[in-house]
Amino acid sequence: QVQLQESGPGLVKPSQTLSLTCTVSGDSITSNFFYWSWLRQPAGKALELIGHVYTSGSTNYNSSFKGRVTIFLDASRNQFSLRLSSVTAADTARYYCARDGSALYGMDVWGQGTTVIVSS
Amino acid sequence: EILLTQSPATLSLSPGERVTLSCRASQSIDSYLAWYQHKPGQAPRLLIYDTSNRATGIPARFSGSGSGTDFTLTISSLEPEDFAIYYCQQRNYWPYTFAQGTKLEI
Repeated sequence: QVQLQESGPGLVKPSQTLSLTCTVSGDSITSNFFYWSWLRQPAGKALELIGHVYTSGSTNYNSSFKGRVTIFLDASRNQFSLRLSSVTAADTARYYCARDGSALYGMDVWGQGTTVIVSS
Repeated sequence: EILLTQSPATLSLSPGERVTLSCRASQSIDSYLAWYQHKPGQAPRLLIYDTSNRATGIPARFSGSGSGTDFTLTISSLEPEDFAIYYCQQRNYWPYTFAQGTKLEI
């Protein structure tokens, strides 16, 4: 059974970099043709896809994050990570990692999410 | 960016009832639509992909239909565990976007 678990600081200061890691168990992040995704959901708002990294390491990002985002694989630890720079209070949200298939498929495995608050 | 609108925002129903949730896209997304169920404190769960295909392990009481801009998720007979928030997601255009969700409450 594939499981994903987010980890990282729950509090980040404005202008700093938010760093989260998703640990994958039950599947190898480099051996199957999946996209490993990061999403977030601010309170009372819709889920928002931040971006994803493919098993090859190639990435796609949501342009609304204006170059602030990096997602990368750590194959040795079977993890993938999110870095979001220059955070503001608007980046306060619950952050999720998920496994994603082809466009015709969907995000079939999710982590439970982790709340990140941006505040001084 | 494709805008998805779900209606209604909240539905109050009873176990055993049939319910149909609506999802409308701001432009055609062909059949590239998925539905998710989300309960507080839990991981979201993929229910339907490619408009009408049930994901692994999803009961037959869940069904999806539609094409182009208008889509529906139907639960034929609500079970107590079905009371949750349901989201649709379009996957035809990057970035994939979600609607605000419909909350099913008892």
